[in-house]
Amino acid sequence: GQSLEQPSEVTAVEGAIVQINCTYQTSGFYGLSWYQQHDGGAPTFLSYNALDGLEETGRFSSFLSRSDSYGYLLLQELQMKDSASYFCAVRGGNYGQNFVFGPGTRLSVLP
Amino acid sequence: EAGVTQFPSHSVIEKGQTVTLRCDPISGHDNLYWYRRVMGKEIKFLLHFVKESKQDESGMPNNRFLAERTGGTYSTLKVQPAELEDSGVYFCASSQDFASGLHNEQFFGPGTRLTVL
Repeated sequence: GQSLEQPSEVTAVEGAIVQINCTYQTSGFYGLSWYQQHDGGAPTFLSYNALDGLEETGRFSSFLSRSDSYGYLLLQELQMKDSASYFCAVRGGNYGQNFVFGPGTRLSVLP
Repeated sequence: EAGVTQFPSHSVIEKGQTVTLRCDPISGHDNLYWYRRVMGKEIKFLLHFVKESKQDESGMPNNRFLAERTGGTYSTLKVQPAELEDSGVYFCASSQDFASGLHNEQFFGPGTRLTVL
C-alpha cells in the first residue's frame, strides 16, 4: 500500500524554528511536495524536491533523502500567520501521474 | 491571472440524489486533478487529467463517481447516487504541462463542500 506519515501537531513560539518530518512508502516515487493549508482555505504550494538535498525558499526550506524515504519542511523565524496545516505529498505511480498526500501536521505558532 | 475556480462552493443534498461539481482550471494548464478531504483527514487523490485524457483514476472510490473534461478545459465530477460517506470537501487543482518544468506546482481551487444528508 501507499502511506505517508507526519506528526499530527506541532507547537512553537514566534521567531522559533520548527521542522516537520515526513516519511513515505509509495509505489513509484518522482518527488516530494509540501503544501500549506489555512483553515477553510485551499492548499497552497510551498516546495517540490525531486533530488536529495535541501531546497531553500525564503524562510522555508525542504529536504529530501530518497534512500531513507524521508523528507522535512523547515520553517524559520516563525510568524503567527504560519499557523496552518502542512501536508507532504509524494508524486508517484508508474510514471508520476498521481499524488499521495500525508495526513497533515497542524502547526500552532504562539506569541 | 484568474486562479482555479470551483462551483458550487457548498452543496447540501439528500442521499440518493445526484450532484455535479465543476472545476475551471487556470487557463492553459493541461493537468487537472481532483481530490477529496473527508472530516479533516488526509487529502485523497481521486484522478488526474492531461487535457481531456484521464491519466490516472485509481483514486476514484467507485462507479458512482464520474469525471469528465470535455475539450480539455473545465472538468465536472458527478456523484450519482450520493451516499452519506461522500460528504467532504472536493478540491480541484491544475498545473502546467510537463514541458514547462513547472508541472509539479499545483494550484488548488477553494473547494466544494458537499454534505449528503
